[in-house]
Amino acid sequence: GAGVSQSPSNKVTEKGKDVELRCDPISGHTALYWYRQSLGQGLEFLIYFQGNSAPDKSGLPSDRFSAERTGGSVSTLTIQRTQQEDSAVYLCASSKDGSEQYFGPGTRLTVT
Amino acid sequence: AQSVSQHNHHVILSEAASLELGCNYSYGGTVNLFWYVQYPGQHLQLLLKYFSGDPLVKGIKGFEAEFIKSKFSFNLRKPSVQWSDTAEYFCAVNLDRGSTLGRLYFGRGTQLTVWP
Repeated sequence: GAGVSQSPSNKVTEKGKDVELRCDPISGHTALYWYRQSLGQGLEFLIYFQGNSAPDKSGLPSDRFSAERTGGSVSTLTIQRTQQEDSAVYLCASSKDGSEQYFGPGTRLTVT
Repeated sequence: AQSVSQHNHHVILSEAASLELGCNYSYGGTVNLFWYVQYPGQHLQLLLKYFSGDPLVKGIKGFEAEFIKSKFSFNLRKPSVQWSDTAEYFCAVNLDRGSTLGRLYFGRGTQLTVWP
């Protein structure tokens, strides 16, 4: 079946611009996670959605970062006023029951 | 704060050599343990996982890992590596709070290079 998909695969943006990254989880998966992967920081947790519960936003690095999940399915991660340190690969994962997380291919964000 | 430590940043082996990658975590409660692999140009894939039961778990491609609770460790092993095992390996932990399992805590990763 289809896996987790993310778009765009690559995004180059100028410092100060806003960007939106999209994640389509596996159908039926109630849990959705955002992580980012960068050379200096490894894999960092950003935010987690589980069903209709309030999201766990404890990993968001600043108030420039936000995410929403509409209809319990698609999620959008928004970064406002991008900075060069935001350059990273943003990974989305989904899980059916909170156990195994299935990862998407990621969006490579480059802030110039 | 919870943390996951991977002791080796880069491991270089010849084909047929044995592999052991170390992973330690710092959390005293019930945990679930994972090893993920990222092949060049590909996304993260689950290699194996431990939730409960037999502490020796077997995964795909001949990999196995042993959970030693007293040492807070979950080392990854393979008796004989192949060139195709060249990849980055990540140990990860999530905290078992019953119905809510939540985020993964990742180690910094170990780059494995296997020479033919």
